[in-house]
Amino acid sequence: QKEVEQNSGPLSVPEGAIASLNCTYSDRGSQSFFWYRQYSGKSPELIMFIYSNGDKEDGRFTAQLNKASQYVSLLIRDSQPSDSATYLCAVATGGFKTIFGAGTRLFVKA
Amino acid sequence: ETGVTQTPRHLVMGMTNKKSLKCEQHLGHNAMYWYKQSAKKPLELMFVYSLEERVENNSVPSRFSPECPNSSHLFLHLHTLQPEDSALYLCASSQDSAGLNEQFFGPGTRLTVL
Repeated sequence: QKEVEQNSGPLSVPEGAIASLNCTYSDRGSQSFFWYRQYSGKSPELIMFIYSNGDKEDGRFTAQLNKASQYVSLLIRDSQPSDSATYLCAVATGGFKTIFGAGTRLFVKA
Repeated sequence: ETGVTQTPRHLVMGMTNKKSLKCEQHLGHNAMYWYKQSAKKPLELMFVYSLEERVENNSVPSRFSPECPNSSHLFLHLHTLQPEDSALYLCASSQDSAGLNEQFFGPGTRLTVL
């Protein structure tokens, strides 16, 4: 069974802190990795993608990929209350198939 | 706004009804997707169309029937649904299906089956 695993949380961090969200995947052939943010009652919104091992930074967000460990993470620096949402990790295994994790709920306390 | 629209936004139907969900993308993408999202469960891929041809069907019950008349429009026809089919149904599109697969989601249709 090809899976994407995330800690469901909730992860609670104070405003201004770094939030660290983690994801593991089972298919070693996975090619592309995505982080989506989903606010309550809304649809998922793509915030980061990464294809190569290492770090990728975009503003306050950094995605980290380690294919050897089958691990992808998302760091949110200077967390804001508006970052409170569910974060979905998604892994594209080739062709048209993308497998989503169940998501981690993040709460940023003001 | 992601460039993907869905109608209706909310739908309540009985188990004997027939209804259709509609999705339209204004992004010039080649691939379109239907997902089901139930509470506390991962997004479940239902169907994928690439250039109007179905390329993925994840063992979805036949009471769900997709239709893709062109690369901008996608429908999900519903008939004789069960209460456990109540969920958020999300449409998504992507430029290219070959692995990169950055998907853009519509707002979803919240379906309740009585």
